[in-house]
Amino acid sequence: GAVVSQHPSWVICKSGTSVKIECRSLDFQATTMFWYRQFPKQSLMLMATSNEGSKATYEQGVEKDKFLINHASLTLSTLTVTSAHPEDSSFYICSASGESYGYTFGSGTRLTVV
Amino acid sequence: AQKVTQAQTEISVVEKEDVTLDCVYETRDTTYYLFWYKQPPSGELVFLIRRNSFDEQNEISGRYSWNFQKSTSSFNFTITASQVVDSAVYFCALSGGLSGGYNKLIFGAGTRLAVHP
Repeated sequence: GAVVSQHPSWVICKSGTSVKIECRSLDFQATTMFWYRQFPKQSLMLMATSNEGSKATYEQGVEKDKFLINHASLTLSTLTVTSAHPEDSSFYICSASGESYGYTFGSGTRLTVV
Repeated sequence: AQKVTQAQTEISVVEKEDVTLDCVYETRDTTYYLFWYKQPPSGELVFLIRRNSFDEQNEISGRYSWNFQKSTSSFNFTITASQVVDSAVYFCALSGGLSGGYNKLIFGAGTRLAVHP
């Protein structure tokens, strides 16, 4: 079946630094990638949608300059949290779609900013 | 606008009890898809089912069953003879018609299910 590999699974960084999260579709071409954020005991909130080779479409209230999304190839999308602050601490999860595989989720990245 | 409502925030049952998780959705699309996912404490999302808007047949998979009713815009999920391993957060989700691309998946707030021995 379709597999999406997300790395790192957890990361701790200092306030003010940037963190990059990668999502790779291992056995299919992901034409569309979705990035979600989930705060403790809350639902998954869509941050942005990206199509391969195009700029990402951000949801209302999500700062595009802070959460940089790159979807340069059909198998790789990255989310970079720039100048991270403690309030950015959250669980980030990607979802890749393409071919006939529907929505395949990565295993998530737990970000802690100290 | 699309919306998914899971009114039950938390449910607590004793093992072997049956439990139903409710999901009500809103959409103006005539073609749409409904999903259920399980999120155990580890965080990953486990896909349980996808149902398209034209297929109102109920589905059964082992101890799991789903009741899709367009008339009430509901897609409820029942676990029969619950087990401790069923303890998790369950999300109902909705996406619009797949017209040449994949539309965003909108999640409900989730229902936290605790099954006690």
